[in-house]
Amino acid sequence: GAGVSQSPSNKVTEKGKDVELRCDPISGHTALYWYRQRLGQGLEFLIYFQGNSAPDKSGLPSDRFSAERTGESVSTLTIQRTQQEDSAVYLCASSLYPRQFSYEQYFGPGTRLTVT
Amino acid sequence: ILNVEQSPQSLHVQEGDSTNFTCSFPSSNFYALHWYRWETAKSPEALFVMTLNGDEKKKGRISATLNTKEGYSYLYIKGSQPEDSATYLCAFRGSGNTPLVFGKGTRLSVIA
Repeated sequence: GAGVSQSPSNKVTEKGKDVELRCDPISGHTALYWYRQRLGQGLEFLIYFQGNSAPDKSGLPSDRFSAERTGESVSTLTIQRTQQEDSAVYLCASSLYPRQFSYEQYFGPGTRLTVT
Repeated sequence: ILNVEQSPQSLHVQEGDSTNFTCSFPSSNFYALHWYRWETAKSPEALFVMTLNGDEKKKGRISATLNTKEGYSYLYIKGSQPEDSATYLCAFRGSGNTPLVFGKGTRLSVIA
């Protein structure tokens, strides 16, 4: 079946502009995660959605970052007033079960964001 | 702050060579250790989820071992092929409803 998809695949934006990144999880997956990888760094957790529960936003680096997910469908990650340090690959992942059961996460191809 | 270390950062091997690399993680509050393979321009792909001390898992020419008491996992590739070239990521899961903590990865290049 279809995997996790993300759009756009690449985004170049000017400093100070807002950007919106989209993730379509695998159908039926209740859990959705956003990560980012900045140059030379490991994958960094941003936010986690599980069903209709309140999301775990503990990884969001600043209040310029926000994310939404409606039910078990599409999620959008919004970055307001982008800064150069926001440049990274933003990855979305989904899994069938809540994360505390440590099942595999299935990743999308990522969005490469470049802030000039 | 949880620290997950991977070594080496990168390595180059000849086709046919066997290789291995290391993931170090906290030995307390362990719940699971994940290994992923991330090829350039593709999505990270899950290799293994390991939960028990002494666990050994295998998928084709790739295998992994786990030592939770001392906090390390080894990933082995037997008879490396050019298609094994990728970044190999490990991720630690602590107990409780906590996020995965990823290492920076080991970048493997297999030269034909």
